[in-house]
Amino acid sequence: AVQLVESGGGLVQPKESLKISCAASGFTFSNAAMYWVRQAPGKGLEWVARIRTKPNNYATYYADSVKGRFTISRDDSKSMVYLQMDNLKTEDTAMYYCTAEGAYWGQGTLVTVSS
Amino acid sequence: DIQMTQSPASLSASLEEIVTITCQASQDIGNWLAWYQQKPGKSPQLLIHSATSLADGIPSRFSGSRSGTQYSLKISRLQVEDTGIYYCLQRYSNPWTFGGGTKLELK
Repeated sequence: AVQLVESGGGLVQPKESLKISCAASGFTFSNAAMYWVRQAPGKGLEWVARIRTKPNNYATYYADSVKGRFTISRDDSKSMVYLQMDNLKTEDTAMYYCTAEGAYWGQGTLVTVSS
Repeated sequence: DIQMTQSPASLSASLEEIVTITCQASQDIGNWLAWYQQKPGKSPQLLIHSATSLADGIPSRFSGSRSGTQYSLKISRLQVEDTGIYYCLQRYSNPWTFGGGTKLELK
């Protein structure tokens, strides 16, 4: 069965950094574009970042709200995708989900940015 | 960015009733449209992909349709387990954009 498991969330202060991870299994990870989507408390869904596959040069794309602060990466040998979040802001507080092609979703990891 | 205007924002319907939720795209997105259901405290679940294709394991009472840049999700006979928040998503271009969501409750 397909499984995506996020980890690494927590409470950080504004301007700090955090790296969250997503472990994938049950499908050919190297063939799948991977995405991070977030959901602020009580709000809707917001796409954050995308990373394509090796044949597509691992191209990355970001929402304007995180461009220059967040970095998505992947390790196909470990079936892992990461989101490095720098210079965090209070408005980055959200549940962060990883998703494979929008079809499979993890359970999410909560990131809280507060002083 | 492509805007997805979803309506209604909330909906109350009776068991066995037919329910329709729509999303209007601000430009042509072809069939790059998906529908999700999200229950409280859970991650979104894919219902429909490519505008009209039912995802694996999803009951046949769910269906998707397209008319130009307007997309619809139809639940043919509402069941108790269908309550939740529904979102449309365009995957035509970056950034992906979601509709604002429709909260579906039982009357």
